[in-house]
Amino acid sequence: GAGVSQSPSNKVTEKGKDVELRCDPISGHTALYWYRQRLGQGLEFLIYFQGNSAPDKSGLPSDRFSAERTGESVSTLTIQRTQQEDSAVYLCASSTTVGSYEQYFGPGTRLTVT
Amino acid sequence: GIQVEQSPPDLILQEGANSTLRCNFSDSVNNLQWFHQNPWGQLINLFYIPSGTKQNGRLSATTVATERYSLLYISSSQTTDSGVYFCAVKGGGSNYKLTFGKGTLLTVNP
Repeated sequence: GAGVSQSPSNKVTEKGKDVELRCDPISGHTALYWYRQRLGQGLEFLIYFQGNSAPDKSGLPSDRFSAERTGESVSTLTIQRTQQEDSAVYLCASSTTVGSYEQYFGPGTRLTVT
Repeated sequence: GIQVEQSPPDLILQEGANSTLRCNFSDSVNNLQWFHQNPWGQLINLFYIPSGTKQNGRLSATTVATERYSLLYISSSQTTDSGVYFCAVKGGGSNYKLTFGKGTLLTVNP
């Protein structure tokens, strides 16, 4: 595809439920990143994938958050037992790992926990 | 980790005016990107500019890496320029994650 895509675009869930957010990176981009943006704030780094491996998970806020990537392509961010403070926009980005490493972002998933 | 400060936090312009947005960072960087976040939340890449000067239409950017700052210039502003402008850097020992500033909220009035 032409750009990074994410699904769903919006997700409303009840506190305590699990959610899965999906990211499809730009074809050929071996690096993939997840960020979180709370209302009115800048972006916070969550996790980085190099291929299917995640060398740095230090940005994940708690052990309720996990992510995986398969086929050096699609990635899924899972939040278990959602809490109201998890409400935010979750953005995915991808980049090459040669040259500039310029990151390109998807449109995000807006998660609302009620 | 590396710190990124953007100024001003808010800016209101009349259509046709020029503006300068500033980004200061606390450590050496190997990547600096400027983004425009439109009202629908999409982050649009404006510039990849770890050093030097670039221009794209009415927008231009300059990064002086040795002095740890970058400037984004918007000339002849239009209402469609409204939104939040983010500076994001990669550095301070990290070679992958971007650290974002809090952004500048630009409002261009007709």
